[in-house]
Amino acid sequence: EVQLVQSEAEVREPGESLKISCKGSGYNFATYWIGWVRQMPGKGLEWMGVIYPGDSDTRYNPSFQGQVTISVDRSINTAFLQWISLKASDTAMYFCARQSPAYYKASDYWGRGTLVTVSS
Amino acid sequence: EIVLTQSPATLSLSPGERVTLSCRASQRLSGSYLAWYQQKPGQAPRLLIYGASSGATGIPDRFSGSGSETDFTLTISSLEPEDFAVYYCQQTATSPGTFGQGTKVEIK
Repeated sequence: EVQLVQSEAEVREPGESLKISCKGSGYNFATYWIGWVRQMPGKGLEWMGVIYPGDSDTRYNPSFQGQVTISVDRSINTAFLQWISLKASDTAMYFCARQSPAYYKASDYWGRGTLVTVSS
Repeated sequence: EIVLTQSPATLSLSPGERVTLSCRASQRLSGSYLAWYQQKPGQAPRLLIYGASSGATGIPDRFSGSGSETDFTLTISSLEPEDFAVYYCQQTATSPGTFGQGTKVEIK
C-alpha cells in the first residue's frame, strides 16, 4: 500500500528554523516526483515545488524560490521542506504529494499534512 | 508561469443538481496535463480527474472532465451529499505546476 507519512504539527517562534518531513512507502520512492503544497488558513492550495528523489532535481515556483528548501534522503525514503528563518506568514498546513507519470504528473497520493504555526 | 482561473468562486446548489465548474489557463496546455481535485475540510485533496478527462481510480462515474488547450470543465452529473466540497484544477504541463484558486460547492 502506497503511503506518505508526514511529521507531526510544529509550533515555532518567528526567526526560528524548521524542517518537516514526508516518508514514502509501498512504492519505488526514487522514481516519483514528490511535491510540497501550502494551504494557508481558509485559503486555497499553492504548489511550492517538487523534487525527484532519483537525482535530487528540484524545481520551485517563483513565489517560494529562496524562501524554502526542498531536499530528499533516498536512504530513508524521505523528502523534506525546510525554513531557515520562519515568519508569521508561514503559518499554514503543508501537504506532500506524489506525482504519478501514469496520471500526467497528477498527484494520486497525498500525506495528511503538517500544520506549522509560527507565533511569538 | 501558467495561471489557472476557476469560476465561479462559489456555487450554491441542492442535491441532485448538475454542476459545471470551469478552469481557464493563461497559456495553452500541452498534452492533457490538467487535473481536478476535491478537498473537504480537514482533509488532504483527492484526485478526481487526470489528463483532462480520465477518472482516477475509485472515482464515481458522476464525475467527468472535458476540455483542451486553455478551457477545461469538471462536471458532476447529479450532486450527492458527500460532493459538497472545494474543487481545484491543477496544471502539470510545466514543472512544478500550479493550482487554480478553487470553487466551493455549497449546499443551498
